Amino acid sequence: QSVLTQPPSVSGAPGQRVTISCTGTSSNIGARFDVHWYQQLPGIAPKLLIYANTNRPSGVPDRFSGSKSGTSASLAITGLQAEDEADYYCQSYDNRLSGYVFGTGTKVTVL
Amino acid sequence: QLQLQESGPGLVKPSETLSLTCAVSGDSITTTNDFWGWVRQPPGKGLQWIGRIHYGGTTSYNPSLNSRVTISVDTSKNQFSLNLTSVTAADTAVYFCARCSNSGGWLDPWGQGILVTVSS
Repeated sequence: QSVLTQPPSVSGAPGQRVTISCTGTSSNIGARFDVHWYQQLPGIAPKLLIYANTNRPSGVPDRFSGSKSGTSASLAITGLQAEDEADYYCQSYDNRLSGYVFGTGTKVTVL
Repeated sequence: QLQLQESGPGLVKPSETLSLTCAVSGDSITTTNDFWGWVRQPPGKGLQWIGRIHYGGTTSYNPSLNSRVTISVDTSKNQFSLNLTSVTAADTAVYFCARCSNSGGWLDPWGQGILVTVSS
């Protein structure tokens, strides 16, 4: 069961900016737990893209950025490229479930 | 460089137990205070957290699977394992293992994943 809600899909032309929202509740994002983002290319394991709301692991382009406010978080991709076409998932911790929770996932399509 | 690799049967019969192992290489499983976890992804669907374990033995599980899941650790072999009992077709999924940061809860790195099909 996915506790965090994401739009099923977003799309944009190369070079454009797209954003993906991740909406939670008072027991996860709203409880000040960090939000993390993953990129999953077809047939490949998820890869950490953003950790602790705004931080990029080494090697992740600065076209990817994260933010968090209240019970929601967002992932922004600027200068969209064909290689960014993938599924994206947010993740946090939920103190009511006492465990990790994932978002429903968003498919990014580059037009 | 830390690497994780899942192994186990790719086919399990309904009502039987699914057993997978995650071998950790590149560092000792006891080096940090991090957790080691399992996540699954049914075909065409999203990610579902299964549970996690600390090398000291502390575990936590997804409440929806709690009664059927056991995660254990073998520090001598630098690996941890997943047991899921009484499986049904709904347990068919790609199963991933990952390191779970104790400082913030992110999962990195991930294993490549292993497809487990539940079918007679």
